[in-house]
Parts: sequence; C-alpha cells; structure tokens
Amino acid sequence: DVKVTQSSRYLVKRTGEKVFLECVQDMDHENMFWYRQDPGLGLRLIYFSYDVKMKEKGDIPEGYSVSREKKERFSLILESASTNQTSMYLCASPPAGGRYNEQFFGPGTRLTVL
Amino acid sequence: QQPVQSPQAVILREGEDAVINCSSSKALYSVHWYRQKHGEAPVFLMILLKGGEQKGHEKISASFNEKKQQSSLYLTASQLSYSGTYFCGTETVEYGNKLVFGAGTILRVKS
Repeated sequence: DVKVTQSSRYLVKRTGEKVFLECVQDMDHENMFWYRQDPGLGLRLIYFSYDVKMKEKGDIPEGYSVSREKKERFSLILESASTNQTSMYLCASPPAGGRYNEQFFGPGTRLTVL
Repeated sequence: QQPVQSPQAVILREGEDAVINCSSSKALYSVHWYRQKHGEAPVFLMILLKGGEQKGHEKISASFNEKKQQSSLYLTASQLSYSGTYFCGTETVEYGNKLVFGAGTILRVKS
C-alpha cells in the first residue's frame, strides 16, 4: 500500500517563526501536493510538484514556499508564520500519471500559530 | 474555481439513501470523490472521467454529466460507517492537472 507520512500531527508555533512541514511518500511517485483544509472551505491547493526541483503554485501560494530536493520528500515552508495560517495541512500523492488516479493523503498536520 | 457541493449537510437514518451533488462552472476532465472521517485523512472513493470511464469502489455509485458539468454521488442503504465529510474534486481544462475541491458535504448516519 502507498504510504504518505507527515512529520507532525500537531504543531504549535509563534507568529513570525519559520515553519517546516514535511511530507514523505514511499512509492516513488513523481507527483506531490500540499493542501490546507479549513471548515467550510474544503481543501485548497497551496503548491504542487511533478518532479524533483520542480514546483508550481496552486490557488493560495501567498505566504508559503516549497522544496523538493528528493523525489520522496516534499516540504512546505511558512516563511514567517501568521495567525491566519492556523489550519490543517494535508499532503497528497497520486501514482504515476496523476491524472486518472486517486490521491493518497497523509494524516495531516494541524498547525496552530499563536 | 471551486466546485459547489450540495447539500452542505445531511442527516440520515440507517438504510436510507442520499445523493450528494457537485457542480462546476468550468468544463471538466474528471471528477473525484473522497470521504473524510473526523480526525482522519480523506480516502478515495471514485473517479469519473470524461467519456464515461469510472474507477472506484464497487459499493459506491456516481454519475458524471459532462454537458452540465455536474456529478452526483449516490449512497444507498446507508450504514453508520458512511458518516463523514464527502468532497468532490474537479479537474478542469483551465487548471490542467490540478484538483480543485469543493467545500464538502457533511453526512451523518444515525441508528
């Protein structure tokens, strides 16, 4: 089975801190995605990557950046955390091709910014 | 553009049926359906593709009207385990290979 893991389930940070959220998939997938989930808004795409060192902005990239140095790892970076970035963050990865295959989600990281 | 899901929430008794709808203002390549239980990651249910192909779990049924840019998920003879939040994700011509998810439909099945 495909396994997508995220570095933390719960994280509490202070305003202005630099925050790293890490996602690792174990099935050699090329595609990886970062979403944030907020009540009433569903899942919104922040950034995605189709290959190592390749990234594209999603729908809400402001305040975030990403890094993909290795195929299995996709990191989401909050350059200077703000309270409006308090949210659930989900990483997802579909099998090769991505288009006609389901996305496998990680367990999520609930980030609180104080 | 985020697809619109309806209803926002629905409460059923075991054995009852429900339909969850997903509507997009854009031309669609595919529609994905996921279910998320409280505190857990979303889990794949089904993909419906332009042209009629479907891929998903045998016990789940759904439809995709390409002309109307709409999809519906049919939950029949509901069980307690069906409770959760259902999301549709749409892949559009405009956004390429990205999935854009709806706000979700909360389904609660009572005994």
